[in-house]
Amino acid sequence: ETGVTQSPTHLIKTRGQQVTLRCSSQSGHNTVSWYQQALGQGPQFIFQYYREEENGRGNFPPRFSGLQFPNYSSELNVNALELDDSALYLCASSLQGGSRSYEQYFGPGTRLTVT
Amino acid sequence: AQSVTQPDIHITVSEGASLELRCNYSYGATPYLFWYVQSPGQGLQLLLKYFSGDTLVQGIKGFEAEFKRSQSSFNLRKPSVHWSDAAEYFCAVGERSGQFYFGTGTSLTVIP
Repeated sequence: ETGVTQSPTHLIKTRGQQVTLRCSSQSGHNTVSWYQQALGQGPQFIFQYYREEENGRGNFPPRFSGLQFPNYSSELNVNALELDDSALYLCASSLQGGSRSYEQYFGPGTRLTVT
Repeated sequence: AQSVTQPDIHITVSEGASLELRCNYSYGATPYLFWYVQSPGQGLQLLLKYFSGDTLVQGIKGFEAEFKRSQSSFNLRKPSVHWSDAAEYFCAVGERSGQFYFGTGTSLTVIP
């Protein structure tokens, strides 16, 4: 069973640019959630995707958007990057339905630096 | 609004000593509760979870946690800490919607 993978590992962008982060969910999982973890903080929920539809969203502006593909992999897109977007972006996958719906398995993250 | 509080930002314990990390939550319904561990530069690893039933739950790496509804707490414990346990520990509440709320974390240092 393969775990959650994310790419790239590190990324440096300039303020105002756009970025796309990618996530492959754990084998057999159908739900992907994205989190932003600023330095020294806990992860903050961005949004969740289930069956290719957004299934919940945290307190993030519309310039944060996402996609889920038929193979359950996912992308996080951030437009008009700001310095405060510098963070570790974590992807977590889970299997929707039943008692295991809330067991989220995290990838290693993408470290985004905005200069 | 849902929230998770981890009152201890940093804890230092000696190897072999016992450990307790505190977590308090604010949630309107029966919560789903989790503890995760994060090593430097890594993602989060699930240590244990509470959904219902027995309020004392066992996890991986010798960790356990006790759910106390009256105190809105879900403290993590380990009887004897190993040097490899040094990491950042996060408590989280999961909603039925799938959204998770994390605390700000407790950094654990283990001294020989």
